[in-house]
Amino acid sequence: NAGVTQTPKFQVLKTGQSMTLQCAQDMNHEYMSWYRQDPGMGLRLIHYSVGAGITDQGEVPNGYNVSRSTTEDFPLRLLSAAPSQTSVYFCASSELSAASTETQYFGPGTRLLVL
Amino acid sequence: AQKITQTQPGMFVQEKEAVTLDCTYDTSDPSYGLFWYKQPSSGEMIFLIYQGSYDQQNATEGRYSLNFQKARKSANLVISASQLGDSAMYFCAMREGMNRGSTLGRLYFGRGTQLTVWP
Repeated sequence: NAGVTQTPKFQVLKTGQSMTLQCAQDMNHEYMSWYRQDPGMGLRLIHYSVGAGITDQGEVPNGYNVSRSTTEDFPLRLLSAAPSQTSVYFCASSELSAASTETQYFGPGTRLLVL
Repeated sequence: AQKITQTQPGMFVQEKEAVTLDCTYDTSDPSYGLFWYKQPSSGEMIFLIYQGSYDQQNATEGRYSLNFQKARKSANLVISASQLGDSAMYFCAMREGMNRGSTLGRLYFGRGTQLTVWP
């Protein structure tokens, strides 16, 4: 049971390049999310998904696309990278327990530098 | 308006002492959940404790307890008997609509408090 995995761990891009950050979970969670963490800003929600085929925007969705074709995978695409997208990106998955509480599992993060 | 406010950018505590990290929240939803996460220098996010808006008692998990004051909209984290390994960034977070599955995975985070434990 690997939990939530993210690849790559580090990436350097040039302005205008595109790339996909990969996220996978093996816990059969329906709910998955992408956050970005900037210094002094905490984590902010980019996109989230409540199940395969269903995605929606979070607080800061501009410049990012997502899709959810399977329960396990939730890739984040940067269409045309900008220096403002330099950040640490976290993927997370969630389940709702029988006690109606929530446990959210985070991946290890991807550090992205856009030059 | 920010949904989660953490007013202490940094806190210092001596080993074995207790420390309180402040968190206030803003929501009009009667059903919400409050979370605390720890982020050590290695970068991973570690879940610490959860409090639901309808929970009658304050949540506790080992050395962590949550001082939940609903009327004041505060959810402070108390760490008892601090250890050197507690040095990390601590984030308060909230999910609204805990009674609605459609909001699962949608957390609002504060800006964090950097805790330093000294010997």
